[in-house]
Amino acid sequence: IAGITQAPTSQILAAGRRMTLRCTQDMRHNAMYWYRQDLGLGLRLIHYSNTAGTTGKGEVPDGYSVSRANTDDFPLTLASAVPSQTSVYFCASSEVSGANYGYTFGSGTRLTVV
Amino acid sequence: GQSLEQPSEVTAVEGAIVQINCTYQTSGFYGLSWYQQHDGGAPTFLSYNALDGLEETGRFSSFLSRSDSYGYLLLQELQMKDSASYFCAVRDRAGRRALTFGSGTRLQVQP
Repeated sequence: IAGITQAPTSQILAAGRRMTLRCTQDMRHNAMYWYRQDLGLGLRLIHYSNTAGTTGKGEVPDGYSVSRANTDDFPLTLASAVPSQTSVYFCASSEVSGANYGYTFGSGTRLTVV
Repeated sequence: GQSLEQPSEVTAVEGAIVQINCTYQTSGFYGLSWYQQHDGGAPTFLSYNALDGLEETGRFSSFLSRSDSYGYLLLQELQMKDSASYFCAVRDRAGRRALTFGSGTRLQVQP
């Protein structure tokens, strides 16, 4: 089934530790995104990539980094986790041109930093 | 900065019609999208409006007025399964499709 796979599904992480959230898509979408979702704040864009080899900063990029070595994978790294990074993280993808403007989202990673 | 305003909660009864409004204030505007999210689930795409007017997809319709910086999602013949959160989102830059999301409207459908 075409879509986005995120791993892990959930994680409890000690503050100060490094962690990479994985995201893989099989739809050959050019654009990929990382959002975090906190209660009452909706989804906020962390980083995005319009195509393999390029990335850009979103609304809340501090403390996070991404890479886009190929079309399918878009990992998100927390270099040194802090409790304020406790959130649900969603990876998404979309076409970058054409008439299909919808995002496909992964099922999310629930991260708790303690 | 960018801001999107939508009501935090709406309650309606099964079979009724409900309208969820969204007003936006962004530096640029290239389209308004709507997403549905059930508790514990991922957001799913419902609709996209780039031009003024009404777009209909089954029981759901979405409207946009660019001059008023306003849009709405209309849900008809409400069903219990429509209980979810609904997010409006704006595409505010040319050359990319990154979206800015509103904080969401929680719709509760009662029998």
